[in-house]
Amino acid sequence: GENVEQHPSTLSVQEGDSAVIKCTYSDSASNYFPWYKQELGKRPQLIIDIRSNVGEKKDQRIAVTLNKTAKHFSLHITETQPEDSAVYFCAASRNNAGNMLTFGGGTRLMVKP
Amino acid sequence: NAGVTQTPKFQVLKTGQSMTLQCAQDMNHEYMSWYRQDPGMGLRLIHYSVGAGITDQGEVPNGYNVSRSTTEDFPLRLLSAAPSQTSVYFCASSSTGGEYFGPGTRLTVT
Repeated sequence: GENVEQHPSTLSVQEGDSAVIKCTYSDSASNYFPWYKQELGKRPQLIIDIRSNVGEKKDQRIAVTLNKTAKHFSLHITETQPEDSAVYFCAASRNNAGNMLTFGGGTRLMVKP
Repeated sequence: NAGVTQTPKFQVLKTGQSMTLQCAQDMNHEYMSWYRQDPGMGLRLIHYSVGAGITDQGEVPNGYNVSRSTTEDFPLRLLSAAPSQTSVYFCASSSTGGEYFGPGTRLTVT
C-alpha cells in the first residue's frame, strides 16, 4: 500500500517568514495530493490540493509543488501569520475523487509574533 | 447545508461493549469514509464507501463494521470495544475534490 512520510515534525518560524513542509510518497499510481490544516481540537480542513497533471498550484500565500518523478510534494506558506499556527497534514490518493487518503504524520507549525 | 455531521461528540465505553457512531452528510456526495486519529498522528482509513450498498476496507478495518443503506448515512459499528480503539473518529465525504470531515467523535475505552 501507499506510505507517506512528512518532514519536519515541528517547525517554528518568525511571523513574516516563509515555512516549507515536505512529503514523500511510495505509490507511483497516486495522483491526488491534498494538504489539510488542523487546529487543536478541530477537524482537518482542506487548504489546497494538487493533481498529478499539474506541477505547482498557488492560492494567495499558500503554494504546493509536485515532483512526480521524485515522488515528493511540498507546501509553501509565505508571509506567515500567528493564525497559521496549527498542525498540517499531507496526504495522497490513487482516487480522483479525493477519498481513500493515506496521511503523513503531520507537522506542527508555530509562528512566533 | 450542515455538511458532515457526527454523533455523539464524546463517548466512554467499557471493554467489550458495542456501539454505533453516526455520520450523515447533506451534500449528496457519493463517497464516504471513516478515519481514526490517534494522539500525535495522522489519520488512518478504517472503511469507505463509493455509493449506497457498496463498502470496502481501508488500512485498519479490524474490530469495525460499516453499512451504507442511503447516500446520506454511513454509521460505524464497534463490535466489542477494546482499549486500543481509544481514538478520535472522523467521518468524511467527498465528490470530486477532497475529503470534507465531520467534527469528530472522541471515544475512550476503559
